[in-house]
Amino acid sequence: GQNIDQPTEMTATEGAIVQINCTYQTSGFNGLFWYQQHAGEAPTFLSYNVLDGLEEKGRFSSFLSRSKGYSYLLLKELQMKDSASYLCAVKDSNYQLIWGAGTKLIIKP
Amino acid sequence: GAVVSQHPSRVICKSGTSVKIECRSLDFQATTMFWYRQFPKQSLMLMATSNEGSKATYEQGVEKDKFLINHASLTLSTLTVTSAHPEDSSFYICSASEAGFHTEAFFGQGTRLTVV
Repeated sequence: GQNIDQPTEMTATEGAIVQINCTYQTSGFNGLFWYQQHAGEAPTFLSYNVLDGLEEKGRFSSFLSRSKGYSYLLLKELQMKDSASYLCAVKDSNYQLIWGAGTKLIIKP
Repeated sequence: GAVVSQHPSRVICKSGTSVKIECRSLDFQATTMFWYRQFPKQSLMLMATSNEGSKATYEQGVEKDKFLINHASLTLSTLTVTSAHPEDSSFYICSASEAGFHTEAFFGQGTRLTVV
């Protein structure tokens, strides 16, 4: 079956750095996405990786290793507003998005 | 970026009635739209995939006669929850994609459905 794993919850301190990992096993691979979702709101797009390596976008970076079925989202200079759930999703061979359960990130002052 | 508009954002209905939720892509042609349901503290659960002009493909366990999906144009898809029950209370979210394997999914604002 298809499976995406990410930690359920993480806690970090304002101003620090946090890395959220995602491992996947899917039938085919056509890209990996990271989304941010605040409670009661729809997800918003953060990043997209289809080739191995690091994609940097401001305070957020996303890394992909296709051979390891592994990605991480790196958040720097954490702010209180970064408290949210972070969803990892992979497009499989049918171009369908397979979603992880999400990682709830709690930022403490 | 592309915009997907979903409404209503919140709806309360009586048990046994039907509710229609609309999802519109405002500035692009959405060849494919997805409907998700999300229960509290759980991840998105794909309910169905709809392609313009054809019947929706429902995920296993989703009743197609209860959750009617219509994708009549490249900019509009609707989800109708028929004969709603309290257990149908959830957060329903649509997303839309343009053609192309690498395109991201753009999400609507979501609809909070409460059945009383």
